[in-house]
Amino acid sequence: KAGVTQTPRYLIKTRGQQVTLSCSPISGHRSVSWYQQTPGQGLQFLFEYFSETQRNKGNFPGRFSGRQFSNSRSEMNVSTLELGDSALYLCASTRTGDTQYFGPGTRLTVL
Amino acid sequence: AQSVTQLDSQVPVFEEAPVELRCNYSSSVSVYLFWYVQYPNQGLQLLLKYLSGSTLVESINGFEAEFNKSQTSFHLRKPSVHISDTAEYFCAVTQTGGSNYKLTFGKGTLLTVNP
Repeated sequence: KAGVTQTPRYLIKTRGQQVTLSCSPISGHRSVSWYQQTPGQGLQFLFEYFSETQRNKGNFPGRFSGRQFSNSRSEMNVSTLELGDSALYLCASTRTGDTQYFGPGTRLTVL
Repeated sequence: AQSVTQLDSQVPVFEEAPVELRCNYSSSVSVYLFWYVQYPNQGLQLLLKYLSGSTLVESINGFEAEFNKSQTSFHLRKPSVHISDTAEYFCAVTQTGGSNYKLTFGKGTLLTVNP
């Protein structure tokens, strides 16, 4: 089975812009979660989608949003980018909830 | 709510030496426990997990971890490390059952294996 894929792998944006990241889960996995990884805050949970519905949400501002499509692929969007949004954004998928498998991440740099 | 504490942010060791990376957790509900490894410029790879059953779990590359419920710990060990084990290691927990699949991570331990 193919693993979790994320596109693009690298992005450079400027403050105030918006960005959309994409994640394709492992085939058969209906849950997709997003995490932000920074040197200062570590790995933080953003949100989780299951069957096109957001089920859980972390403590992030409303500028961070996401959605899931009927084929379980997910996108996350960050609007009005700030310098502090520079991070590695990781997507993970799971079939049963007991084990999550991660993609390679998207490295976002905000200038 | 859960929290995870990794007691060492950096652990330098020499090749072929034993290593222990420490992890303690706090939770008001039952949890599953995980160790993930991250190599530079890569995502997280699952190293091993404890879901139920034997409290000692092993990975295919020689790591093992033991779930200790009374001490709320899940320390990671390897009897003899290799240069290729140099990476950052993350301990994580998630609650058992239900529909909350959120993983809570520790801050990570950077393992550096020197020749």
